[in-house]
Amino acid sequence: GAVVSQHPSWVICKSGTSVKIECRSLDFQATTMFWYRQFPKQSLMLMATSNEGSKATYEQGVEKDKFLINHASLTLSTLTVTSAHPEDSSFYICSAEDLGETQYFGPGTRLLVL
Amino acid sequence: AQSVTQLDSQVPVFEEAPVELRCNYSSSVSVYLFWYVQYPNQGLQLLLKYLSGSTLVKGINGFEAEFNKSQTSFHLRKPSVHISDTAEYFCAVLSVAGNMLTFGGGTRLMVKP
Repeated sequence: GAVVSQHPSWVICKSGTSVKIECRSLDFQATTMFWYRQFPKQSLMLMATSNEGSKATYEQGVEKDKFLINHASLTLSTLTVTSAHPEDSSFYICSAEDLGETQYFGPGTRLLVL
Repeated sequence: AQSVTQLDSQVPVFEEAPVELRCNYSSSVSVYLFWYVQYPNQGLQLLLKYLSGSTLVKGINGFEAEFNKSQTSFHLRKPSVHISDTAEYFCAVLSVAGNMLTFGGGTRLMVKP
């Protein structure tokens, strides 16, 4: 079946640095990818919808300048957490939608900001 | 390790009929359970969640789910569906320690008039 990968799976960084997370659809083309954030013991929160070749659509309350999303190709979307702070520590998950509108989820990236 | 199985990839049903979407999971640790819905061209929305307490959980849009620990199931039900319920539904488990979230493969609910 279709596979979505995320890299890195774990990242620890110092406060003030920027972190880039990659989401790749390995064997299908994804015109749409979604980025989610999960807080401890809570459900997922949709951050933004990423469409290939266009600007991402952010959900209300999500800072566009803080969470930069780039969907440069049909198989790759990146989320960059700029000037990360401890409150940005979280579990970030992407999902990719194939042409048949089937969703596939990545394994997630755990970010810890010291 | 944990896994989630949604036994039906597609469920066609007529409007106003009842529906059950099945979800079974396996985990070596205690988990929280979630059902999400995704409408076309949109992100996931939380339908309901089980954290503790009563095993029958009521969610939005008339959906409910029952946690059955012995059968490791968390089936989603609605007594009467509408056309607007047509969507993809995902079951997910989160380890209580909060370090592993796993989704099922999704079930496409198709409500026919």
